[in-house]
This record gives sequence, structure tokens and C-alpha cells, in this order.
Amino acid sequence: ETGVTQTPRHLVMGMTNKKSLKCEQHLGHNAMYWYKQSAKKPLELMFVYSLEERVENNSVPSRFSPECPNSSHLFLHLHTLQPEDSALYLCASSQDRAGANVLTFGAGSRLTVL
Amino acid sequence: RKEVEQDPGPFNVPEGATVAFNCTYSNSASQSFFWYRQDCRKEPKLLMSVYSSGNEDGRFTAQLNRASQYISLLIRDSKLSDSATYLCVVTLTVSGGSYIPTFGRGTSLIVHP
Repeated sequence: ETGVTQTPRHLVMGMTNKKSLKCEQHLGHNAMYWYKQSAKKPLELMFVYSLEERVENNSVPSRFSPECPNSSHLFLHLHTLQPEDSALYLCASSQDRAGANVLTFGAGSRLTVL
Repeated sequence: RKEVEQDPGPFNVPEGATVAFNCTYSNSASQSFFWYRQDCRKEPKLLMSVYSSGNEDGRFTAQLNRASQYISLLIRDSKLSDSATYLCVVTLTVSGGSYIPTFGRGTSLIVHP
């Protein structure tokens, strides 16, 4: 248990479905992140929230919609996804300050889009 | 040019070997540097931070060369349990002062008996 919990761990959805991924951290961190990990590719940063404000949106398609209601929770809302969106989605948290921005990851949500 | 570049490997070495990984980064304004380790089908975990003066943690030594924008990781006396993917991470500050970590694609290490 890393202190960052992601649910669900596995998700299979059709291209017309709407689903959400949830992330919760119990570490008292003030920044949260969504990363996408596909086979043979580096981790791709999708969204960053610091103190519940979005500070980075890395040109992610609008079919991915993040939500950060407080500093402990982060959601990724999914709708009308494509098969190429199938990947491992990793949530992470950190203290957003110099020298302390070490990421703690959750175990990930493995998404399959049919 | 990719922001953070690593040789993907795999590096296939016998137990007890010494192995070195390299990483280069493109943005000279990068501020913090780390090595993470990711086991198969697991999440990445921090291995060690990388400091300008170089730092050591047991069998692991990390070096930073800011002039050449280059980071290295040396593993001595390799163990079977060292088999994993090693990820180089570089952090930049964006407007507003937040720190954004960028990952390399990782270097795969296989240690065999």
C-alpha cells in the first residue's frame, strides 16, 4: 500500500460508454497527477493539479476530463474513448515544492477500450 | 528531440556484474533529477534522487552533469532482484511555480544467474 489508491484496478468499456477512474491519496500531498502508460512508450503526463488547480494539461483529447474536488481526490472522466486509449492509467501525488516533488504512484487502472 | 532520452536496452548481465545507465535531457532549466524503478506490471517507485555532487545508496551511485545535461546510474554487484525497468525523471518549473516531472522511456535490466 503506497498511500495512493486507485479504483477500479481494471476496466473494460465500449467506445460509447462513460466511466470514471478514481484516485485518493492519504499522504497529505498538495499535487496530484494523471499519467498514461502504453506499451513501448514513456509515461505520458496528462494532467497536473496543484492545490486543486489545474496547472498542466498536456494536449490531452477532450474525451478525457479530469476533476479535482479537493487535494486528496482526483478523478478522470472517460467518454467516447477509442481503442488506442487502452493503457495503464497511473495516478501520483507529491508535495509541490522545490526538492520535495517526489512522486508516489498508485497501482494503476488498466483500461481496455473495445 | 525528446525531452528525456534513455537507451531502452535491454541490458542483460550476470549476477555480480556492474552496469551503468545513462540519461540525457534537453531543457537546461531542469531543476530536479531522479531515478525510479518499475517492476513488471507494477507502478514506478523512487529509487533515488540525483544531486549535483553525486550520491550513493548502497550498491547504487547516481551522477549529474549539468553542463552536459546528463544523468547516470551505476549498479554494482548486480542481484537477480535488480531486474526491472529504470526510469530517468527530470523536473521543470512551470509558470506559477509548480514542478512538472517528465519521464524517460526507461531502461530494462535483466540480471541472470
